[in-house]
Amino acid sequence: AQRVTQPEKLLSVFKGAPVELKCNYSYSGSPELFWYVQYSRQRLQLLLRHISRESIKGFTADLNKGETSFHLKKPFAQEEDSAMYYCALRANFGNEKLTFGTGTRLTIIP
Amino acid sequence: GAVVSQHPSWVICKSGTSVKIECRSLDFQATTMFWYRQFPKQSLMLMATSNEGSKATYEQGVEKDKFLINHASLTLSTLTVTSAHPEDSSFYICSATTGTGFFNEQFFGPGTRLTVL
Repeated sequence: AQRVTQPEKLLSVFKGAPVELKCNYSYSGSPELFWYVQYSRQRLQLLLRHISRESIKGFTADLNKGETSFHLKKPFAQEEDSAMYYCALRANFGNEKLTFGTGTRLTIIP
Repeated sequence: GAVVSQHPSWVICKSGTSVKIECRSLDFQATTMFWYRQFPKQSLMLMATSNEGSKATYEQGVEKDKFLINHASLTLSTLTVTSAHPEDSSFYICSATTGTGFFNEQFFGPGTRLTVL
């Protein structure tokens, strides 16, 4: 069975400082990893996925299969980054189920 | 594009009554819809996977007779909480996908807050 771990429930970072939200996973196969974000009073939305290898809103995440990690990073935090961030894993093709981590609430201090 | 709506956004009911929550894909046909439950300050827990025209697949520990799921069309899935009790109070979220494969994406509804008195 797959598992996603986000060790930090809360993370506070000063504006302009680098941000790193940690995500580790457990899965025997080759997973697909995602980061979802939920801004205050808004629905969950996809931030980025590892296969796209793109930067969204300045965020990047690299899949490290050796360390089974998919940490989310941004070099300079902005106030609008304050939100709840969830790491999620999809196990394999044809099975669209997502397994979510417990989430990290990121607060950017002005 | 790819908007998912839920109705109602919140509902309060008495213990023992049944509550129906609708999930609609507004501008796309959803081959698969998912139902999640989220307790305060906790993660989303998948309850069931719903495919149009077939029976839902429930996750382990989810009572299928209590949480009835119907996926009658490619744009509508409903979750009925039968004989609701206070412990069923939670935030219920649905999501919908357009297909399968690498680039498929789940689009989430805004959620429905259920409070059972």
